[in-house]
Parts: sequence; C-alpha cells; structure tokens
Amino acid sequence: SQQGEEDPQALSIQEGENATMNCSYKTSINNLQWYRQNSGRGLVHLILIRSNEREKHSGRLRVTLDTSKKSSSLLITASRAADTASYFCATDAEGSGNTGKLIFGQGTTLQVKP
Amino acid sequence: NAGVMQNPRHLVRRRGQEARLRCSPMKGHSHVYWYRQLPEEGLKFMVYLQKENIIDESGMPKERFSAEFPKEGPSILRIQQVVRGDSAAYFCASSQGEGYEQYFGPGTRLTVT
Repeated sequence: SQQGEEDPQALSIQEGENATMNCSYKTSINNLQWYRQNSGRGLVHLILIRSNEREKHSGRLRVTLDTSKKSSSLLITASRAADTASYFCATDAEGSGNTGKLIFGQGTTLQVKP
Repeated sequence: NAGVMQNPRHLVRRRGQEARLRCSPMKGHSHVYWYRQLPEEGLKFMVYLQKENIIDESGMPKERFSAEFPKEGPSILRIQQVVRGDSAAYFCASSQGEGYEQYFGPGTRLTVT
C-alpha cells in the first residue's frame, strides 16, 4: 500500500491564485520531501521537512507537517504558468533498518492557466 | 557543480536483450538510490548502494535485475533478458547520507520492443 497519498489528484487554477496540495502517510517518519516533476522530465527537489519541524518556507513555497495527523501540505503562493507540473511527496520512514529510501505518493497534477 | 548524471537518456531494447543504465552521483555524494517510475505512477524504490556495497535491495525484482556501485566509476543498474513490462523510466538519486535530501538525475527511459 502507498505510504504517501496526495490529495487532490488533479488541481487546475488561474495564474496568481494559490495552490494547496496535501499528503498523508501511514508510518512514523524521519523526514518528508516534496518534489516537482515536469512532464517527461526528472524530479526537482523542493523542500525537505524533518519530523521535529512544523513549517518551512522557500520562496513562494510553504510546507507544513503535522505528525499527529500524519499529514503534510505544500502551498504555492501567487502561482505561475511555469508551476504547471506534477508534485510528489516522499517519506523517509522511521524504524530499524531504515536506509533513507523514499516512499512516494501518486502525485498531484497541477495546471496553472495563464 | 554538476548534478546527478544519467545515461543514456533513452534506451530501446528488444525482448531478451540486456539493458545497462548508468548513474554518476553529485560531487561529494557517496549514497545512490535507484527508483522506477511506471507510466502515470509515482516512483518506486529499487535499491540503495554505497561505494562497493549494496545496502538495501528490498525493492529489486528477484530475477534479472542487479546493481553495483564500484569504487571507481558510475553506479550501474543492469537488467538482463528484458521484457515489455520493464519499460519504464529509471531514476537515480544521490545523497550525502541517509536522511538527507535526495537529488535526482534526469532519468533513463527504457522501451522494450
């Protein structure tokens, strides 16, 4: 079963609006990472948030983490057409034998209309 | 400062042939992870290596797949006797250590005809 599940699966907004994507996971984690993937391309690392952190910012990106609810959100403010991409959360599960491997969700496809 | 390099970017193989995918980690990174992405899906972990050691291969199919990260040179993911179901994008990521950011290469898109 998926460790991370993103919600919504698809999101369409107008340029300038904010986009919020959510990620839920099942097991305790060491950290959670958000990535962007443009169609047919590689993954771009956006933000890593550790289990003892609640919020991180990077430019127009804001990530929150609620370990009690096992969920995270990615907020993109003042969206641009260039933000159109798929966004994935990936968790580094806590536990003995953990090796830092990431477990990815299915992703949210974001379309920003000009 | 070059990022993670993967080659080839596209690879076409006939059923039964071998596929060799290469990954050079970012400078200063000694941890390499391989992931596979099937069409319209998220990435699935395959194997984690450090120099000359396989640390975690829990995501690797039991047959036909192998990986190595020699003391010198890139990490290699090898798929023997490819089948159509092996068609996918294979991504490599490198990290400075467990629990740190993983930076991904552009991927190798394998097509089995």
